[in-house]
Amino acid sequence: GNSVTQMEGPVTLSEEAFLTINCTYTATGYPSLFWYVQYPGEGLQLLLKATKADDKGSNKGFEATYRKETTSFHLEKGSVQVSDSAVYFCALRSGSGNTGKLIFGQGTTLQVKP
Amino acid sequence: EADIYQTPRYLVIGTGKKITLECSQTMGHDKMYWYQQDPGMELHLIHYSYGVNSTEKGDLSSESTVSRIRTEHFPLTLESARPSHTSQYLCASTSGGPGGYTFGSGTRLTVV
Repeated sequence: GNSVTQMEGPVTLSEEAFLTINCTYTATGYPSLFWYVQYPGEGLQLLLKATKADDKGSNKGFEATYRKETTSFHLEKGSVQVSDSAVYFCALRSGSGNTGKLIFGQGTTLQVKP
Repeated sequence: EADIYQTPRYLVIGTGKKITLECSQTMGHDKMYWYQQDPGMELHLIHYSYGVNSTEKGDLSSESTVSRIRTEHFPLTLESARPSHTSQYLCASTSGGPGGYTFGSGTRLTVV
């Protein structure tokens, strides 16, 4: 079946450090891939997405590239800020016409220290 | 700003009480979902609906029930709350296609 695996957290970085959160997936067909962010006490917000191989999603300095050959969608940011501290979820959506349910990874907590 | 609304944001109730968590969206989305989020932050799909009068159980067994009488409204009910129901409950919706979901801010439920 379809599944998403993320690197375990927490990830603790100093401000302005480079961030990578690894995400790999297993799916049939050509899923759409997403990164969501959850700030403390809030629901999930869509951070970025990619709908086909080699697409790069980007938003707020975060980037992720849809790599079909490695079935990966790693999240990166060149310089993190304290305000980036949150939980990050990788997700995929497959099914005919991408009408299937979103499948989430287990989440990775990011802590950025000043 | 959010186009999907959950109420209440926080709720503390006693064991055995009946409660309904509200979820409404103004986007005309057909598909709606309820997730339970445990303290480790993992998300578990407990119910979903693909339209009016359509409801399905999700991947995680839940003692809650849902209804979908109107497109915009997808309430979740616990007939008799227990401490094991203490969790955060997140509602989401989508129009379908390759897009993701829009999430509400969640209801944090504590059963004492």
